[in-house]
Amino acid sequence: SQKIEQNSEALNIQEGKTATLTCNYTNYSPAYLQWYRQDPGRGPVFLLLIRENEKEKRKERLKVTFDTTLKQSLFHITASQPADSATYLCALGDAGNNRKLIWGLGTSLAVNP
Amino acid sequence: EPEVTQTPSHQVTQMGQEVILRCVPISNHLYFYWYRQILGQKVEFLVSFYNNEISEKSEIFDDQFSVERPDGSNFTLKIRSTKLEDSAMYFCASKIYRITDTQYFGPGTRLTVL
Repeated sequence: SQKIEQNSEALNIQEGKTATLTCNYTNYSPAYLQWYRQDPGRGPVFLLLIRENEKEKRKERLKVTFDTTLKQSLFHITASQPADSATYLCALGDAGNNRKLIWGLGTSLAVNP
Repeated sequence: EPEVTQTPSHQVTQMGQEVILRCVPISNHLYFYWYRQILGQKVEFLVSFYNNEISEKSEIFDDQFSVERPDGSNFTLKIRSTKLEDSAMYFCASKIYRITDTQYFGPGTRLTVL
């Protein structure tokens, strides 16, 4: 069955450092992959989308890589700030017409001042 | 900036009661979704809706669930006879075109079934 795994343990880093979060998947060939941010009790907020034919995407301090051979995406936040503290969700996009999303459990990131 | 809104933010109900969760998607969006997230678990797809009909549903979306777009703005999820295990956050999402993949999520409704 399809499986999506993100860093199981919470990530604690010092302000200013780069946070790197991992998303691995098996038994799936997504058309695209998205990263969302989720704060406690809130809905997911879209951050970045990367397609199966793309290797890397950047947006301000965020960078996503996508390796379809390794079946892995890495999500980087550079120059991290305490405001970046949240849970980050990886979601794989279905290639079908409806484009439903299949989600990982998320990685909790804490950026310490 | 346009956003997806959901009401109520929190709904408490007794087991066996019917609930209706309401969503107002972004106005020019055409594709609508419901997801749920049980506390501490993954977000799970429930149903997608396009052109006034269900386009796909998951195994979770059984006969107790239904969706409707009663007018040009609201998108509702009805649970006919709630069970304890229906307690979760329910998120509505929308996107503009089929080939556009970014889904925008509402803040969620927390459903508590007692």
